[in-house]
Amino acid sequence: EVQLVQSGGGSVQPGGSLRLSCVASGFTFSDHFMDWVRKTPGKGLEWVGRIRDQGNSYTTRYAASVKGRFSISRDDSKNLVYLQMNSLKTEDTAIYYCTRDSPTGPFDYWGQGTLVTVSS
Amino acid sequence: QPVLAQPPSASGTPGQIVTISCSGTTSNIATNYVYWYQQLPEAAPKLLIYETDQRPSGVPDRFSGSKSGTSASLTISGLRSEDEADYYCAAWDDSLTAFYVFGSGTKVTVL
Repeated sequence: EVQLVQSGGGSVQPGGSLRLSCVASGFTFSDHFMDWVRKTPGKGLEWVGRIRDQGNSYTTRYAASVKGRFSISRDDSKNLVYLQMNSLKTEDTAIYYCTRDSPTGPFDYWGQGTLVTVSS
Repeated sequence: QPVLAQPPSASGTPGQIVTISCSGTTSNIATNYVYWYQQLPEAAPKLLIYETDQRPSGVPDRFSGSKSGTSASLTISGLRSEDEADYYCAAWDDSLTAFYVFGSGTKVTVL
């Protein structure tokens, strides 16, 4: 059974940093691109960023709204993917989801979500 | 703001047919696959339809997807109480900031 289990998150002041983690099981993690998607209050879902696999040099890509502030990394030996969030803004308040990509398309499995609140 | 437009709500009684629309542009829906996700209360989203009209294994065949031009639709045939959820469409967007874009979400209520 495919599982994505997230940890991290919480409350932080504007300008602060947080790191989210996501551990995968039930599939060959190293074969898949991984994405982060967030759900903001009243705005629905928004793609945050992607990290590709080793065959694609672990390249990353980010939404314009987080580029330069967020970074994604992965550790294939531990089946882990991370979202490092720096210079957080109030508008980054959201539930963040770790997701898997597959040949059938994007976001075919989702983590349970973790709440990030940015407030003074 | 979400790139793809969906009605904020839809409703029906058990057994009825409910259709949710997803309106986009020539840079997304018209030229790329559409995906649909179901988010039950207090749960993570789940892939419901991929490549416009394909169902992952385990998804009931009362859920179907289609598209025409710059619009796509998700149809629930034979609405059930457990279908009460939020539904989101998504598609690749070929614009300068190319990547996947989501719809604004539709809350389906079973009356």
